[in-house]
Amino acid sequence: DVKVTQSSRYLVKRTGEKVFLECVQDMDHENMFWYRQDPGLGLRLIYFSYDVKMKEKGDIPEGYSVSREKKERFSLILESASTNQTSMYLCASSLGGGRPQETQYFGPGTRLLVL
Amino acid sequence: RKEVEQDPGPFNVPEGATVAFNCTYSNSASQSFFWYRQDCRKEPKLLMSVYSSGNEDGRFTAQLNRASQYISLLIRDSKLSDSATYLCVVNSYTNAGKSTFGDGTTLTVKP
Repeated sequence: DVKVTQSSRYLVKRTGEKVFLECVQDMDHENMFWYRQDPGLGLRLIYFSYDVKMKEKGDIPEGYSVSREKKERFSLILESASTNQTSMYLCASSLGGGRPQETQYFGPGTRLLVL
Repeated sequence: RKEVEQDPGPFNVPEGATVAFNCTYSNSASQSFFWYRQDCRKEPKLLMSVYSSGNEDGRFTAQLNRASQYISLLIRDSKLSDSATYLCVVNSYTNAGKSTFGDGTTLTVKP
């Protein structure tokens, strides 16, 4: 079974703090994703990585950056947290190779509250 | 208009009922289709893929209509444990490995 883990289930931070969210997958997947999920807005893609050191902006990259130094690990960074970044953050991975039939496997999510 | 649209519900049904969800997609280049299930405060998990000929997994039946660009999920003999949000997901070659998620349809099965 694919396992995707995220560093924290719950996180409380103050406005202006730098926040690191980490995600690790154990199935040698090429693709990794960061989403946020808010009530009424569904899943929104923040960033996507299809290889080590490669990244691509998703639909809402503003205020976020990412890092992928190793294949199994994909980090999401909030450079200066703001209250509108309070959300559920979900990491996912997929096999890669551009095959449209592949599915994504999600981590358990991190609920971030920015005060 | 969203690329993948679902009726948000909520659908409230009694145990044992049959319930159907529809999902429409706008990208005619879409190649693969899935239903995911998301329990309250949990992550989405793959429920089933949707094949052109339609497919069944126990009480769940998924169908695809490419001409009208919609997919459906039918749940027969609903159980309390079926209560969740069901996400429609569409992949295409033009999306370079990314998936497009619908916002989900919420189902509550009541005793």
